[in-house]
Amino acid sequence: DTEVTQTPKHLVMGMTNKKSLKCEQHMGHRAMYWYKQKAKKPPELMFVYSYEKLSINESVPSRFSPECPNSSLLNLHLHALQPEDSALYLCASSPPDRERQPQHFGDGTRLSIL
Amino acid sequence: AQKITQTQPGMFVQEKEAVTLDCTYDTSDPSYGLFWYKQPSSGEMIFLIYQGSYDQQNATEGRYSLNFQKARKSANLVISASQLGDSAMYFCAMREPHNTDKLIFGTGTRLQVFP
Repeated sequence: DTEVTQTPKHLVMGMTNKKSLKCEQHMGHRAMYWYKQKAKKPPELMFVYSYEKLSINESVPSRFSPECPNSSLLNLHLHALQPEDSALYLCASSPPDRERQPQHFGDGTRLSIL
Repeated sequence: AQKITQTQPGMFVQEKEAVTLDCTYDTSDPSYGLFWYKQPSSGEMIFLIYQGSYDQQNATEGRYSLNFQKARKSANLVISASQLGDSAMYFCAMREPHNTDKLIFGTGTRLQVFP
C-alpha cells in the first residue's frame, strides 16, 4: 500500500459533469503535486503546492482547478472536460528537504471522459 | 535545456539474470539529482534509487544499483537477480537544478521478465 492515497481509483464522467479527485498523505510532507499521464508516456506535471500555496501551474486549462485545503489534502476539481483529458492522474508529495528526497506517488485515478 | 534520454523502449530478461536499463542526461548545471522509478501496470510510481551529482559512490538499494558515469552523463539502472515482479515500466528522471519541485522524465523502458 502506498502512503499517498488517491480516490477514486476509476472515474467515468461526461463532458458536462463536475467531479473531484482527492489525494491524502499523512507523512508531514509540505509539497504536493498533480501529474497527468497518458498511456505509454511519462507523467506530465500539472500543479505544485508548497506549504498549501500554489507554486507552479504548468499552463493547465482552467477546466482543471486544484485546491489544497490543508497540509494533508489535495483536490483536483474537474469541470467541462474534453475526451483528450482521459488519462491517469497521479498525486505525489515530498518532504520539506526536497533536494535529495524522492516524490512519493499514489496509485492514481484512471479518468475516462465520454 | 535539461533532457533525459532512455533509448530502450523495451527490454526482455530471464528470471534470475541481471539487466541494465540505460539513461543519459543533459545538463550544464554541476548540481543535479537523478531518480529511477518503477511503474507497474497498476499505475503507482515506485521510487527505486537516487544519485546526486556530487555523490562519491554509486548508489545501491538492495537488488538495484546505479552505474553512474558522470563524464559520460549516464546513470544506468542495474537490476540483479531479476524477478517476475520486476516486469514494469521504468522511468529515469532528473530534478531541475534550480527548481527542486520539477522532475524531468525520460520516455521510459518497459521491462519484461520471463521464466
